[in-house]
Amino acid sequence: GIQVEQSPPDLILQEGANSTLRCNFSDSVNNLQWFHQNPWGQLINLFYIPSGTKQNGRLSATTVATERYSLLYISSSQTTDSGVYFCAAGRSNFGNEKLTFGTGTRLTIIP
Amino acid sequence: DSGVTQTPKHLITATGQRVTLRCSPRSGDLSVYWYQQSLDQGLQFLIQYYNGEERAKGNILERFSAQQFPDLHSELNLSSLELGDSALYFCASSAQGFGEQYFGPGTRLTVT
Repeated sequence: GIQVEQSPPDLILQEGANSTLRCNFSDSVNNLQWFHQNPWGQLINLFYIPSGTKQNGRLSATTVATERYSLLYISSSQTTDSGVYFCAAGRSNFGNEKLTFGTGTRLTIIP
Repeated sequence: DSGVTQTPKHLITATGQRVTLRCSPRSGDLSVYWYQQSLDQGLQFLIQYYNGEERAKGNILERFSAQQFPDLHSELNLSSLELGDSALYFCASSAQGFGEQYFGPGTRLTVT
C-alpha cells in the first residue's frame, strides 16, 4: 500500500512565525488531504489537494503529484494553530478508497 | 462542524464486553469510512461502505464488524474487547466512493 511520511515530527515556533510542513508519499495518488487535529481530538479538514496549489487565509498547500510530495504552509502563526497536522493520501480503485495517514507533525506555537 | 455525527462521544467498558458505535454521514454522502486512532498504531483505516455495500477493508480485526443501513447511517460493532482496543474511533463520509472525506468528532473508547 501507499506509504506516507511527514516531517518534521515536532515543531516549536514563536507566535507570528511561518512554517512549512512536508508530506512525502510512495505512489501515485488521487486523494491528498491535510488535517489539523486540535487538542480535543477533532480532525479538521484543511485542504483536499491531490495536485496544484490552494490557499485559505494564512494557510496554503501545494501538491506536486509527479514528485510525490505535498507542502503545507502556515504564515503568521497563532497559538490556536497548535496541534497535530496530518497528511493523508489515497488512491481510489473502482469506487473504493482508503486514506493512509502519516504520523503527523506536532506544532506548538509559543505566545 | 463537518456535518458527520458520531455517538456516543465517550464510552468506558470492561474487557470482554461488546459495544456499538454509531455514525451518521453528511447529508447526501453515500460512502462511510471507519478509522481507529491509537497511540501505538496511529490513524488506521478499518473499513469502507458505499450505499450499503462493503467496498474496502483495512486492518480490521475479526472481532470487529460494521454495516451501513438503508438510511446510510453506519454502525461499528466491537466485541470481546481487549485493553488494546482503547482508542479514538472516527467515522468519515464522502459524496461518492472516493474523493474528499469529512471526519466526525470521534468516539473515545476506553476498555478497563
